[in-house]
Amino acid sequence: DTAVSQTPKYLVTQMGNDKSIKCEQNLGHDTMYWYKQDSKKFLKIMFSYNNKELIINETVPNRFSPKSPDKAHLNLHINSLELGDSAVYFCASSQKTGGSGNTIYFGEGSWLTVV
Amino acid sequence: DAKTTQPPSMDCAEGRAANLPCNHSTISGNEYVYWYRQIHSQGPQYIIHGLKNNETNEMASLIITEDRKSSTLILPHATLRDTAVYYCIASSGSARQLTFGSGTQLTVLP
Repeated sequence: DTAVSQTPKYLVTQMGNDKSIKCEQNLGHDTMYWYKQDSKKFLKIMFSYNNKELIINETVPNRFSPKSPDKAHLNLHINSLELGDSAVYFCASSQKTGGSGNTIYFGEGSWLTVV
Repeated sequence: DAKTTQPPSMDCAEGRAANLPCNHSTISGNEYVYWYRQIHSQGPQYIIHGLKNNETNEMASLIITEDRKSSTLILPHATLRDTAVYYCIASSGSARQLTFGSGTQLTVLP
């Protein structure tokens, strides 16, 4: 069973469109995240939710809106897509929000290409 | 956050030990050394972490110097499936600090 699953894996869309990426974790974790990996392979955190509450928002444009219907799901909705949004987006989860041994488990990634 | 420095690439023969170095000379007392790896087209995978003592699990061993300014990840018997980018991160465990740099591309050769 996949611990952290996200869909779709690949998404090609035109500028200006609105799209969503869904994420689910079956690990029973309290905290979920969205990360963005750019073309240089740097992976940076975008958002973090703990028990459906937003705890980290790393200066992401407000075109990006995460939604957590329950603690096992964290979806990412992107409005008015721009070319610069092309990247790989990773969903992740962990048992807690920080501290020792806060191991983060990542999904397989969603490759977004904006044309 | 403590900045980490890793060599951009390394090769290792299959079946031999792979020793991946990491410098973190500005690490603070409450920051752990975490290692993750990313196999091509997959999400990052946790390997191991430690604070002061050396650590070992089923995947790897982590050797941290006494002054904590550097560490080495050891894959005891590298296989072709260990070919990946390995990231060394110094973090207190907060996800905000888990920003992955460029890492070390380890290529295991047959």
